[in-house]
Amino acid sequence: AQTVTQSQPEMSVQEAETVTLSCTYDTSESDYYLFWYKQPPSRQMILVIRQEAYKQQNATENRFSVNFQKAAKSFSLKISDSQLGDAAMYFCAYRSAISGNTGKLIFGQGTTLQVKP
Amino acid sequence: DTAVSQTPKYLVTQMGNDKSIKCEQNLGHDTMYWYKQDSKKFLKIMFSYNNKELIINETVPNRFSPKSPDKAHLNLHINSLELGDSAVYFCASSQDVGGWEGYTFGSGTRLTVV
Repeated sequence: AQTVTQSQPEMSVQEAETVTLSCTYDTSESDYYLFWYKQPPSRQMILVIRQEAYKQQNATENRFSVNFQKAAKSFSLKISDSQLGDAAMYFCAYRSAISGNTGKLIFGQGTTLQVKP
Repeated sequence: DTAVSQTPKYLVTQMGNDKSIKCEQNLGHDTMYWYKQDSKKFLKIMFSYNNKELIINETVPNRFSPKSPDKAHLNLHINSLELGDSAVYFCASSQDVGGWEGYTFGSGTRLTVV
């Protein structure tokens, strides 16, 4: 069974600085997708960025980028120029891309990000 | 227009009661899900329907019963509510089971059992 681990329960960053959130996963599959979701205090789950495992190039969405290391099974999220609105809980998630899969998203435990003014 | 809408947003009820949470998506997606977020914020899948067919039924007490009257709706009915059922319940949808788009989530229903 696949698992996702976020080893940092809490992180803190100064406004305008850069922070990296860690995520590791365990799978025997070769084809899958990885995601980062943001959950602000409003509790709405918002997709931040996604990565296809067969793509070597790291995904980027504005101030958000990932460092995808397939061999190491690592998928970290880098937030540049942190803003107060980035304060939230961040979840890393895994989804199989194998034919016949159920589409289940498997989540890590989450990392709470605090942004200090 | 809200893409995935859940009602109600908040639900406070007494132990032993029966309650339902409704979910509707207007995205034309084939697959819908129910997730439970516990007090430690951990998200765990409960059920999934693909084109009205149940495809995921995790280890959930049979007091929980999902119903999908059509592929745009997925409701969750809970019988004989217990204190431990208190949580946030999220509905979500995806284009299908194999897509890379991820899920679109509803805003969640905070269930409090007293």
